[in-house]
Amino acid sequence: NAGVTQTPKFQVLKTGQSMTLQCAQDMNHEYMSWYRQDPGMGLRLIHYSVGAGITDQGEVPNGYNVSRSTTEDFPLRLLSAAPSQTSVYFCASSDRGLNEKLFFGSGTQLSVL
Amino acid sequence: GENVEQHPSTLSVQEGDSAVIKCTYSDSASNYFPWYKQELGKGPQLIIDIRSNVGEKKDQRIAVTLNKTAKHFSLHITETQPEDSAVYFCAASKGTGANSKLTFGKGITLSVRP
Repeated sequence: NAGVTQTPKFQVLKTGQSMTLQCAQDMNHEYMSWYRQDPGMGLRLIHYSVGAGITDQGEVPNGYNVSRSTTEDFPLRLLSAAPSQTSVYFCASSDRGLNEKLFFGSGTQLSVL
Repeated sequence: GENVEQHPSTLSVQEGDSAVIKCTYSDSASNYFPWYKQELGKGPQLIIDIRSNVGEKKDQRIAVTLNKTAKHFSLHITETQPEDSAVYFCAASKGTGANSKLTFGKGITLSVRP
């Protein structure tokens, strides 16, 4: 049972490049979310999903897209990377809701030059 | 919206001593308060949570207390060990639906000195 798997672990992009951060969970959880973690800022919600085919915006959605075609996968797309998107990104899942008993992946450290 | 604050930003204790980490929240309607532990290079992991209808909850060496009147809640770790060294995040959410979202504090770095 792998839990929540995020790939890649590290990524360096140039300004303007696009990329997709992958997130997969094998626990059949309905609820999935993406957070970013910046120094001194805690965790901030980017986008979330309450089930396959259903997504919505969180606190800081600008510059990011998501889709949820299956229960297992919830990729996060950076459309045109900016230095302000340099951060550590965490994917989380739960079978209780967006706020309860979250299982986090190990994170993707992204640097945008 | 909700504002969750943690103070201090760092805490250092001697192995075997107790550690207390405090959080305050702003929205009196918040009713669910989890604590997450993040070890270096890993994602946050839920260690304990409490609902607003309970004043205290314990799980082995850790406990959480809630003071709704003062709008603060605290994490208590007894008999600290070096493996307790980590960043601890508190969070709060309100509402009863599954779509209720969490607001996290900025985190406190706990260091346990051997």
